[in-house]
Amino acid sequence: DAKTTQPPSMDCAEGRAANLPCNHSTISGNEYVYWYRQIHSQGPQYIIHGLKNNETNEMASLIITEDRKSSTLILPHATLRDTAVYYCSTAAVGSYQLTFGKGTKLSVIP
Amino acid sequence: GAVVSQHPSRVICKSGTSVKIECRSLDFQATTMFWYRQFPKKSLMLMATSNEGSKATYEQGVEKDKFLINHASLTLSTLTVTSAHPEDSSFYICSATRTWGTEAFFGQGTRLTVV
Repeated sequence: DAKTTQPPSMDCAEGRAANLPCNHSTISGNEYVYWYRQIHSQGPQYIIHGLKNNETNEMASLIITEDRKSSTLILPHATLRDTAVYYCSTAAVGSYQLTFGKGTKLSVIP
Repeated sequence: GAVVSQHPSRVICKSGTSVKIECRSLDFQATTMFWYRQFPKKSLMLMATSNEGSKATYEQGVEKDKFLINHASLTLSTLTVTSAHPEDSSFYICSATRTWGTEAFFGQGTRLTVV
């Protein structure tokens, strides 16, 4: 069974922020939260990861709740090219063994 | 980010034959590589973990004699699907991690069709 749960689909208007939630209520203290996305028929693309602090990079921001049981990936200004399936996963520090749930299919609408 | 390359991107083979898929880390040394398979409209399923110079660790339900994994160098892992059957048709994806990194990078995937 996947250790994360995500809504199956979301829509976002182009130019608006996309907020994708993930529940990882069984996360261990030594596990990172990872976000990847997969565009049709391609390998997953790394987006961002974090342990307990909020993180930001050129692609997105990651907000992790204080109890670490859930997180939100934020794409600040969604474009049509951000249409993809977004996967949230967890893995122990030094493990990198990612398991994937069903992900969220994000559709960015013009 | 680091670059992981898979070859071939697409392959069609006949039932009963074997096919080899290569996964290379192009600009870093990968001590650990992972192999996944993905069926249409489904999520990625971890098949095995391979560490350079040692035997791969297979997930439950994955036949190690059918899916041979070799990780002979720090930049190359191979997955050989032996005696392929149509039900082996799938999208196979590898990922690799740097020795001191904290994230895994994925290849572009290989679409295998067994006819």
